Amino acid sequence: DAGITQSPRHKVTETGTPVTLRCHQTENHRYMYWYRQDPGHGLRLIHYSYGVKDTDKGEVSDGYSVSRSKTEDFLLTLESATSSQTSVYFCAIRDTTRHEQYFGPGTRLTVT
Amino acid sequence: GNSVTQMEGPVTLSEEAFLTINCTYTATGYPSLFWYVQYPGEGLQLLLKATKADDKGSNKGFEATYRKETTSFHLEKGSVQVSDSAVYFCALSGSIQGAQKLVFGQGTRLTINP
Repeated sequence: DAGITQSPRHKVTETGTPVTLRCHQTENHRYMYWYRQDPGHGLRLIHYSYGVKDTDKGEVSDGYSVSRSKTEDFLLTLESATSSQTSVYFCAIRDTTRHEQYFGPGTRLTVT
Repeated sequence: GNSVTQMEGPVTLSEEAFLTINCTYTATGYPSLFWYVQYPGEGLQLLLKATKADDKGSNKGFEATYRKETTSFHLEKGSVQVSDSAVYFCALSGSIQGAQKLVFGQGTRLTINP
C-alpha cells in the first residue's frame, strides 16, 4: 500500500461541465502522475509532476490541466468535459529508491 | 518513440496450465521493463520488473526475462490458479528530466477456469 487515495471514486457529469479529480499521497513522493485507461489502449500518461508547482505534459494532455500546490496533492482538471474523456483515471507515485510506480484505486468518470 | 505490444486477449486456460503472455517493445536507450496486474475493480499492482538485459524478474510464481536481442519480456507461470484471473499489462519506462514515464501495452485479459 503506497498510501494513495483518489477522490471521487465514481463521477457522472454532463458535457461541458468542469471536473476536478484529486490524488492524495501520504509518503512525500516527489513524482506524481495521471494516467487514463481505455479498452485497447492500456494506460496512457496525461500529465505528471516532478515537484510542487512543477508539471509537464504526457502523450494525451489535450483538454486536461493539472496543479500541484503541495507535495501530497495532485489535481487533474477537465475544464469542459467531453464524452471522449469518459474513462478510468489512475494516479500514480514514483518510488525513486526502487524506481517503481505505484497506482491509486482509480476514478471512473462518465461524461454524458 | 517508445512502444509496447502485447499478445491479444482474452486468454482462457484451465487451472494448472502453463501460461505465456507475450510482450515485445520498441525503445531507444536501455529501458526498464515491468509487468503489472489489475484485478477486477482495482488499480494496477506491480507484479515484477527487470532493469537491464538478461535480468529475470519473478514474483508469486510469475517470471519474465529481459531479452534485448529479441526486444521481448514475456510473462510465464508454470501452473496457473483461478486467483490469477486478471488483466496483465506490460510496460517500459523512459526517462526525461528524471521522470519515469511509463508506456503500457494494451493489456491481456486472463481467465482461469477450475
